[in-house]
Amino acid sequence: GAVVSQHPSWVICKSGTSVKIECRSLDFQATTMFWYRQFPKQSLMLMATSNEGSKATYEQGVEKDKFLINHASLTLSTLTVTSAHPEDSSFYICSAKQQRHEQFFGPGTRLTVL
Amino acid sequence: AQKITQTQPGMFVQEKEAVTLDCTYDTSDQSYGLFWYKQPSSGEMIFLIYQGSYDEQNATEGRYSLNFQKARKSANLVISASQLGDSAMYFCAMREGTTGSARQLTFGSGTQLTVLP
Repeated sequence: GAVVSQHPSWVICKSGTSVKIECRSLDFQATTMFWYRQFPKQSLMLMATSNEGSKATYEQGVEKDKFLINHASLTLSTLTVTSAHPEDSSFYICSAKQQRHEQFFGPGTRLTVL
Repeated sequence: AQKITQTQPGMFVQEKEAVTLDCTYDTSDQSYGLFWYKQPSSGEMIFLIYQGSYDEQNATEGRYSLNFQKARKSANLVISASQLGDSAMYFCAMREGTTGSARQLTFGSGTQLTVLP
């Protein structure tokens, strides 16, 4: 099946710093990528949908200036958490899909902000 | 209203027995897809099974089967012959629209399954 990678798999940073998370589709071109956030013992909540070459569409309540998403190519999307704070600590998961195909999930990135 | 409802926060099953994880959904779309994912403690989302709204037969994938009851809007996951490695969180999800649509998946709250030796 299709493979989606995320880097880094975990990151610890100080409050106030910015963190970039990469999501790559390794063996297919992803027309759409999705970014989810998951708190412990909770479900995945969609943060934003990004299509290659266009601005991301953010879900209600998600600050686009806080969570910068760039989908510069058909195989790479990045999520940058700007000026991270402890409440941003979470598990971030991306997924990617080709046209007319299902979503494939990355392994997730665990962010801890001290 | 919740689009996906999983009413069982936690379930226990004895090894080698079958278990059913409940999922009900709510949509006004005629075309939609239903998914089940497994999330072990490592965090990765593992796709298990898919059922399209127009599929007349219940989906099956190895030990997984989906009990699709369209009129009741339920899509329960049945795991037969449970194994210790099946212990994980299980999420039901729905995509409204056709396969080619860019619509996102909506997830239920999940069921934590524990398989007892």
